[in-house]
Amino acid sequence: DTGVSQDPRHKITKRGQNVTFRCDPISEHNRLYWYRQTLGQGPEFLTYFQNEAQLEKSRLLSDRFSAERPKGSFSTLEIQRTEQGDSAMYLCASSLAPGYEQYFGPGTRLTVT
Amino acid sequence: DQQVKQNSPSLSVQEGRISILNCDYTNSMFDYFLWYKKYPAEGPTFLISISSIKDKNEDGRFTVFLNKSAKHLSLHIVPSQPGDSAVYFCAASESGNQFYFGTGTSLTVIP
Repeated sequence: DTGVSQDPRHKITKRGQNVTFRCDPISEHNRLYWYRQTLGQGPEFLTYFQNEAQLEKSRLLSDRFSAERPKGSFSTLEIQRTEQGDSAMYLCASSLAPGYEQYFGPGTRLTVT
Repeated sequence: DQQVKQNSPSLSVQEGRISILNCDYTNSMFDYFLWYKKYPAEGPTFLISISSIKDKNEDGRFTVFLNKSAKHLSLHIVPSQPGDSAVYFCAASESGNQFYFGTGTSLTVIP
């Protein structure tokens, strides 16, 4: 078990560009979650998947944010037309099922210049 | 609206003593709670969980207490070790779906 992995670890982009982050969960985990964390705050829930189904996306920050988990394995989070306010750590977590603890990846640090 | 609150941004404890980290929540529907530890530049690491059917859960040096009537939980670390120095987050959810995190408490264990 290699844990949750995220790629890239760091991303610097110019305002207005699109970015995509990848998350590979622990292999037997059906649930996958995306969070954003800014300085001095706890992780902020964005969306989650049960296998390939996206069960909640109302908490995505704007329509510029979208996420997919096409085959129920890895997931991608895309931010279109990035803004400076999007600069944050984006965290992915997975869990075996509802009611089980979530395991986090190392995060992707996004800097929008 | 912050549904989970950690009102102490920081805590310092001597090595070997007890560390008590507190967390309050507002949503009475929350029924599953977790504590995480986070080092700089890393993702949060799961420590311990508790469901609302219990009022205490222990795992080694870590014990979580849940007071449902007060909507309060606490994490006790005994004895505290310098390696425990990190930011601790509590999180809560209803039925293990969306999780709400507090803002964290930075624990420093002084050797």
